[in-house]
Amino acid sequence: ETGVTQTPRHLVMGMTNKKSLKCEQHLGHNAMYWYKQSAKKPLELMFVYNFKEQTENNSVPSRFSPECPNSSHLFLHLHTLQPEDSALYLCASSQDLEGYETQYFGPGTRLLVL
Amino acid sequence: GQSLEQPSEVTAVEGAIVQINCTYQTSGFYGLSWYQQHDGGAPTFLSYNALDGLEETGRFSSFLSRSDSYGYLLLQELQMKDSASYFCAVVERSGTYKYIFGTGTRLKVLA
Repeated sequence: ETGVTQTPRHLVMGMTNKKSLKCEQHLGHNAMYWYKQSAKKPLELMFVYNFKEQTENNSVPSRFSPECPNSSHLFLHLHTLQPEDSALYLCASSQDLEGYETQYFGPGTRLLVL
Repeated sequence: GQSLEQPSEVTAVEGAIVQINCTYQTSGFYGLSWYQQHDGGAPTFLSYNALDGLEETGRFSSFLSRSDSYGYLLLQELQMKDSASYFCAVVERSGTYKYIFGTGTRLKVLA
């Protein structure tokens, strides 16, 4: 238990669906991150939020839309995804960007796009 | 360009010592982190090196040589529960921070 929770843990969706992934951290951190983990590939950083402000968008397609209403919650809204978007989506947090090197990860949402 | 290289798989027996190497090529190098990930689990932070030398945390140690763009994770007194994937990750800082992850090394510990 890392103090970072993600829901749902598994998600199957069609290419025309709209769904959202939720992340919540109970660590009092100020920075939160979305990563994509595909088989045989390195973790790919998608988005970074610091004090609710987006500080990085790593050239992510617009079909992925993040939202950070407060420092404890992070959402990833999904729409019109493609089968190649099937992956494990991980949320992480750190104290702030100065503590970037020590991130606490959630268990991830395993997404399958049909 | 940016790149990290680590072996894809390592096998060792219980009680042994194993070293997982990581070489990197990147700009704006700030430090090197190591994470452990069990199958179906979340990556868990193990260690971070910003300066050259060895950092020891229990059975795990991590080493960095900035001049050689090289680091390693050393696992001693291997246990079955150490079977997992181990990722090195470079922290870059050029304006903002960024993590560049390696593809991971799958460690199998045999009885």
